[in-house]
Amino acid sequence: SYDLTQPPSLSVSPGQTANITCSGSNLGNKYASWYQQKPGQSPVLLIYRDTKRPSGIPEQFSGSNSGNTATLTINGAQAMDEADYYCQTWDSSIPIFGGGTRLTVL
Amino acid sequence: EVQLVESGGGLIPPGGSLTLSCATSGFIFKDYEMHWVRQAPGRGLEWLSYIRFSGSPIYYADSVKGRFTISRDNAKNSLTLQMNSLRAEDTAVYYCVREGLGSGSNPFDFWGQGTLVTVSS
Repeated sequence: SYDLTQPPSLSVSPGQTANITCSGSNLGNKYASWYQQKPGQSPVLLIYRDTKRPSGIPEQFSGSNSGNTATLTINGAQAMDEADYYCQTWDSSIPIFGGGTRLTVL
Repeated sequence: EVQLVESGGGLIPPGGSLTLSCATSGFIFKDYEMHWVRQAPGRGLEWLSYIRFSGSPIYYADSVKGRFTISRDNAKNSLTLQMNSLRAEDTAVYYCVREGLGSGSNPFDFWGQGTLVTVSS
């Protein structure tokens, strides 16, 4: 089965850039999506097809995907960006989620 | 406005059955592929099941195959998950999720608010 690996946690200071990674075998040959989930809320799509942002998602969020790693970049992270972030891809028509990364901004 | 509203969750003893429903509005339901995704307390997202806009094919995660059944009613704009032989490890928030349009590998662009299923005696 195909696995996606994310670091369980990441901590940055306010205003810093947060880079959340997602690793999988030849992930760069697949499309990656990213979701943000704040406590008590449903996940929200942040990035799809590696780099695209849905309407309403701020430009501070960006994505890349190459080799074995997809990366979600959050520029100028603020307290409101504290959340769990999940990557997701597809393998043989089945969606696969990473384990999630808890971002702390302090 | 796209809305996905789940219902049917609750407390159920091990071995019991439960049916979850997802009422949708704000989009042409019959044009979209749909999924169920769950999240156990304090855990990550787990994909459970998929149904094509026409009703076929259908896919399941190994963890629920043979116990859960997904279905849809395009006339009523609704999605259903029938859950049988429930186990303690099925305790989770269950999300109804819309897959975005595209030629494949599409993102999950809208999620319901979730409904909590607790399997316990």
